[in-house]
Amino acid sequence: KNQVEQSPQSLIILEGKNCTLQCNYTVSPFSNLRWYKQDTGRGPVSLTIMTFSENTKSNGRYTATLDADTKQSSLHITASQLSDSASYICVVSASGGSYIPTFGRGTSLIVHP
Amino acid sequence: NAGVTQTPKFQVLKTGQSMTLQCAQDMNHNSMYWYRQDPGMGLRLIYYSASEGTTDKGEVPNGYNVSRLNKREFSLRLESAAPSQTSVYFCASSETGGYSPLHFGNGTRLTVT
Repeated sequence: KNQVEQSPQSLIILEGKNCTLQCNYTVSPFSNLRWYKQDTGRGPVSLTIMTFSENTKSNGRYTATLDADTKQSSLHITASQLSDSASYICVVSASGGSYIPTFGRGTSLIVHP
Repeated sequence: NAGVTQTPKFQVLKTGQSMTLQCAQDMNHNSMYWYRQDPGMGLRLIYYSASEGTTDKGEVPNGYNVSRLNKREFSLRLESAAPSQTSVYFCASSETGGYSPLHFGNGTRLTVT
């Protein structure tokens, strides 16, 4: 069964600090992995997509990594801001057959001033 | 460009009542989805529609029905609401294929008493 596990479940950091969120998956055969940001009371919004051949991709202060061999991804947030407070969801898609993605349960990040 | 629009934003039902959640997208996407989000459970797929005229069950379809009215609109119906259906419901759309991001609405918060 395809599964996506995220850690930690929640995280509290001070403004200006860095943090790293983890995602482990067992989706096979792997197609791509996306990180979504979900602000309170809003729908998730895609931050970045990682495909099999990509190791690192940056989107402003967000940097995603992918290790397809160990089936792990991370999302690193640099110099956190109050607006980074949100839930971050890892979503993995398989290739061939059903294109329905598998969702992780998310990491809730709170940034304190 | 509104993206994905969901109505209503909030709804309170009594057990046994029925209602329809409406969703419309203006991005000309073929695929549309209904998810529910519960604390600690993440987003779970209820039903999806790969294209106009087709619908398929997701992970948690019991107690729900859907209608893909046309390419733009995908509605979710609760025939006889139960307290277990208290949740936040999200509609999403995407282009066909596993590399396209899901575009989410901002959700309908439903309480069943």
